[in-house]
Amino acid sequence: GQQVMQIPQYQHVQEGEDFTTYCNSSTTLSNIQWYKQRPGGHPVFLIQLVKSGEVKKQKRLTFQFGEAKKNSSLHITATQTTDVGTYFCAGPNSNTGKLIFGQGTTLQVKP
Amino acid sequence: DAGVIQSPRHEVTEMGQEVTLRCKPISGHNSLFWYRQTMMRGLELLIYFNNNVPIDDSGMPEDRFSAKMPNASFSTLKIQPSEPRDSAVYFCASMVGGKMNTEAFFGQGTRLTVV
Repeated sequence: GQQVMQIPQYQHVQEGEDFTTYCNSSTTLSNIQWYKQRPGGHPVFLIQLVKSGEVKKQKRLTFQFGEAKKNSSLHITATQTTDVGTYFCAGPNSNTGKLIFGQGTTLQVKP
Repeated sequence: DAGVIQSPRHEVTEMGQEVTLRCKPISGHNSLFWYRQTMMRGLELLIYFNNNVPIDDSGMPEDRFSAKMPNASFSTLKIQPSEPRDSAVYFCASMVGGKMNTEAFFGQGTRLTVV
């Protein structure tokens, strides 16, 4: 079945360093979404990418959707302690519409 | 709108007991998901409803798990009998589904502990 994979699973960085997480789907996606889950919280929507090759920015966060619409990345410039949490990508199954999440990348930021 | 509402927030039960988790999706959302989250397995999709109809329940672990959506504003996830390995955080999420699906809104989750 359709799979969405993320790497790395964990990342520890020093505050101020950059961070990137990568997402790969086994099938072409109509769109990809990114979510952030703070420790003890629930996943919260960050952004949705729809177009091939699309790049969107939210302050220090840059999101990219691959040309083939099968992969995506989230890059955080100059991490801060407030960036701590788990970042998930998610894509809809083209047949059923169910939203499939990647395993997530857990980011730890050392002050 | 108050968002996706789940109850209870915490549940501690003894092995063998029946557990029922409840979810009220956001009004107007036609897709509802139940997810289970553990440290070992991450965020797993258990079941997906569209227009109150179960579309995909391939993630339901076994017959002890069942889910219903009797109407557009309510869903339940039942575990009977519960086992310690069912301990996890269970999330309900809703969204407007379809070809151009919108973002999914998650409830606060139910933290289940089976002792």
